[in-house]
Amino acid sequence: KAGVTQTPRYLIKTRGQQVTLSCSPISGHRSVSWYQQTPGQGLQFLFEYFSETQRNKGNFPGRFSGRQFSNSRSEMNVSTLELGDSALYLCASSQGLGNSPLHFGNGTRLTVT
Amino acid sequence: AQSVTQPDIHITVSEGASLELRCNYSYGATPYLFWYVQSPGQGLQLLLKYFSGDTLVQGIKGFEAEFKRSQSSFNLRKPSVHWSDAAEYFCAVGAGSYGQNFVFGPGTRLSVLP
Repeated sequence: KAGVTQTPRYLIKTRGQQVTLSCSPISGHRSVSWYQQTPGQGLQFLFEYFSETQRNKGNFPGRFSGRQFSNSRSEMNVSTLELGDSALYLCASSQGLGNSPLHFGNGTRLTVT
Repeated sequence: AQSVTQPDIHITVSEGASLELRCNYSYGATPYLFWYVQSPGQGLQLLLKYFSGDTLVQGIKGFEAEFKRSQSSFNLRKPSVHWSDAAEYFCAVGAGSYGQNFVFGPGTRLSVLP
């Protein structure tokens, strides 16, 4: 089975721009979660989608949004980028039960200048 | 709300030595607990998980972890460390029966001396 695929691997954007990150989950997985990883804050939960519906949301501003398509692929969008949004964004898929382990992609490294 | 602490930010061990990484959690019900490993520039790989039953769980790469409810701990162990084990290790607790908003600990960076 192919793993979780995230594109692109690297992005450089300017403050004020917007960005869209993409995630293709493991085949058969209906849940996709997004995490932000920074040296200072560690891994922080952004949101989770299950069957095209946002099921859980972390404590991030509304500039961070996402969606999930009928094939379970997911996109995350960040608008009006700030310098502090520079981070590794990790996508994880799972079968969607509370005890289902997360399977992570290799992440998208976003740098905001 | 659940929380996870990993008291050791950085640990250095010699190759062949034993390893124990500590994890303490806070959660009101029986937790779902996980250990993940992350190599530089990579995503997180699942090492092992605990839901219920036997409190000693075996994982990949020769790792094991023991759940101790009385101490709210889920420590990761390996009897003999290999140089390739150098990485960052994260403990995580699941939210319960609904949803996938895991809470991760801050991580422990493991260095291995030859």
